[in-house]
Amino acid sequence: GNSVTQMEGPVTLSEEAFLTINCTYTATGYPSLFWYVQYPGEGLQLLLKATKADDKGSNKGFEATYRKETTSFHLEKGSVQVSDSAVYFCALSPTDSWGKFQFGAGTQVVVTP
Amino acid sequence: SQTIHQWPATLVQPVGSPLSLECTVEGTSNPNLYWYRQAAGRGLQLLFYSVGIGQISSEVPQNLSASRPQDRQFILSSKKLLLSDSGFYLCAWSVGEGWEKLFFGSGTQLSVL
Repeated sequence: GNSVTQMEGPVTLSEEAFLTINCTYTATGYPSLFWYVQYPGEGLQLLLKATKADDKGSNKGFEATYRKETTSFHLEKGSVQVSDSAVYFCALSPTDSWGKFQFGAGTQVVVTP
Repeated sequence: SQTIHQWPATLVQPVGSPLSLECTVEGTSNPNLYWYRQAAGRGLQLLFYSVGIGQISSEVPQNLSASRPQDRQFILSSKKLLLSDSGFYLCAWSVGEGWEKLFFGSGTQLSVL
């Protein structure tokens, strides 16, 4: 079946550090890939997405590249801020089960001043 | 603009009691509707998925059921709650192709005691 695996947290960083959150997936065909973010006290919201191989999604300084050969969609940011502290979820929307999004377990990121 | 309403925000119920959580969407027609559960320390688990009135797909065998009596109304129910039903329940919607993003409600924190 379809699944998403992402690195466990919490990830604790200092402000201006480089952030990487690994995400790999298992799916048939060519799923669309997403990163969602949940800030403290708020609901989930879409951060970025990529719909085909080699696409790069970007938003708010975050980037992720759809790598078909490694079935990965790692999230990166070059210089994190305290306001980036949140839980980040990797997700996919499979082509063989249209609309049935599958989420990873989430990675908590804590950025300290 | 589209909005999604989910209530109640918090709920404390005894084991064996019934459950009814309601979700409504405004500003869109024929949305795909979802119920997710976010258990403590775990990711989002897709529970139910609906592409139209009366059409419900159950993703995980469990003690819960879902119904869609109207185009923009999605209800999560249980006849008798179990302790393991505790968690954070999220309603979400999407439209269009499967790669379109999900829009989440604010969630219901359910504690079964």
